[in-house]
Amino acid sequence: DADVTQTPRNRITKTGKRIMLECSQTKGHDRMYWYRQDPGLGLRLIYYSFDVKDINKGEISDGYSVSRQAQAKFSLSLESAIPNQTALYFCATSDFGQGQYFGPGTRLTVT
Amino acid sequence: KNEVEQSPQNLTAQEGEFITINCSYSVGISALHWLQQHPGGGIVSLFMLSSGKKKHGRLIATINIQEKHSSLHITASHPRDSAVYICAVSSGSARQLTFGSGTQLTVLP
Repeated sequence: DADVTQTPRNRITKTGKRIMLECSQTKGHDRMYWYRQDPGLGLRLIYYSFDVKDINKGEISDGYSVSRQAQAKFSLSLESAIPNQTALYFCATSDFGQGQYFGPGTRLTVT
Repeated sequence: KNEVEQSPQNLTAQEGEFITINCSYSVGISALHWLQQHPGGGIVSLFMLSSGKKKHGRLIATINIQEKHSSLHITASHPRDSAVYICAVSSGSARQLTFGSGTQLTVLP
C-alpha cells in the first residue's frame, strides 16, 4: 500500500462548488503539506501543518482552507471553486530534516 | 527573479550519454532537494543535501554552498530516466520548500 494516498485522483467540478481533497499517510510523520502544480510554474505551497494543532499558510493560501483531523490526515478544501484553481494538487509528508514523500496527486478541473 | 532557477528547461539526450542539470538559488538555505516527476505525475524525492556530494546508483548530486549552485548528474542515461527533474530549496524557520520550474529530460534509445 502507498505511504501517502490522495482522494479523489481526478475531479471535475463546476464554478462555485465546494470541494474537498483528502490526504492520508502511514509514514507516521508529523509534517504534512499541500501543493499545487501549474504548467510552467512549478510546485507552490498552499498550506502546511507541523502537527494537529499547528496549521500555517503557504505562498498561495487565498481561496483554500485546510483541516488536520489527525496526525495521519490532512484535507484541503476549496470553499467556492473557480476556474483558475484548475491544477494538479499534491499532498506530501516529512519528518524534520528529511526529504518529503509525495502522494500521487489529484487532478482538479473547475469548469 | 525566481528564487530557484533551473537549466536547461528541456534536454534531449541519446541513451548512454552523461547528463547534467543545473540549479541556482538566491536565498540562504538549510538544504537542497532533487525530485523526479514521472510522466504519470508521481513525484519521488531523489536527494536532500546541504553540502558536498551524494550518489545513488547512476545519479549524483553536488552542491556548492558558496556559489549557491547544485548539479544533478546522470551517468549512462537510459530511456527510463525520462522524466521532469525538479530542484527545490528549504529555507526559513519552517524549512518550507521553494521549487524550480523543472527540467524535462528525454532520453532517446
